[in-house]
Amino acid sequence: GENVEQHPSTLSVQEGDSAVIKCTYSDSASNYFPWYKQELGKGPQLIIDIRSNVGEKKDQRIAVTLNKTAKHFSLHITETQPEDSAVYFCAAPKTGTYKYIFGTGTRLKVLA
Amino acid sequence: SAVISQKPSRDICQRGTSLTIQCQVDSQVTMMFWYRQQPGQSLTLIATANQGSEATYESGFVIDKFPISRPNLTFSTLTVSNMSPEDSSIYLCSVEALTMHNEQFFGPGTRLTVL
Repeated sequence: GENVEQHPSTLSVQEGDSAVIKCTYSDSASNYFPWYKQELGKGPQLIIDIRSNVGEKKDQRIAVTLNKTAKHFSLHITETQPEDSAVYFCAAPKTGTYKYIFGTGTRLKVLA
Repeated sequence: SAVISQKPSRDICQRGTSLTIQCQVDSQVTMMFWYRQQPGQSLTLIATANQGSEATYESGFVIDKFPISRPNLTFSTLTVSNMSPEDSSIYLCSVEALTMHNEQFFGPGTRLTVL
């Protein structure tokens, strides 16, 4: 069946270091992969996404890479800041639908 | 992107009562969804709110417990009926428009506590 696994579940980094969160998906037909950031008390916010026709996308300090062969995609945050502390979710679409399957989330803590 | 608001932002309710949550979008959208996020957990899709027809529910969710309305392209409601403490969760509305190229945007959520 369709599944999205996300690792690690928690991640602590020192301010200024990089953070990497990885997700694997099971459906080879998936073609769109968003990442969401959820701060305490707020709804998830779309921060970056990637489509299957590219291998990498960057937006300032965040980037997403996609390996279609291995069926995994990763979120990279460089020069982390305390305001990056949040829960991050990856997602992938269910085959042939507009619905998403979400990963289990990664709680990122950036230590000042 | 779309600007989405939800009402109420939070509520504390008694067991056995019902609560209706509203979701308003600032532009017309094709797809509207309702999710549940239990404490410390990921997001689980409850149903797709269809304009002009009955909502489409995911496995484990039924219309009698979570009736949904969508009278137009910018508004939807989710009712949590006959509540129990297990219904304590964050309920989130999300939207997707064809022009958003698969992107889904979430509202701020409604934090529900059932005593």
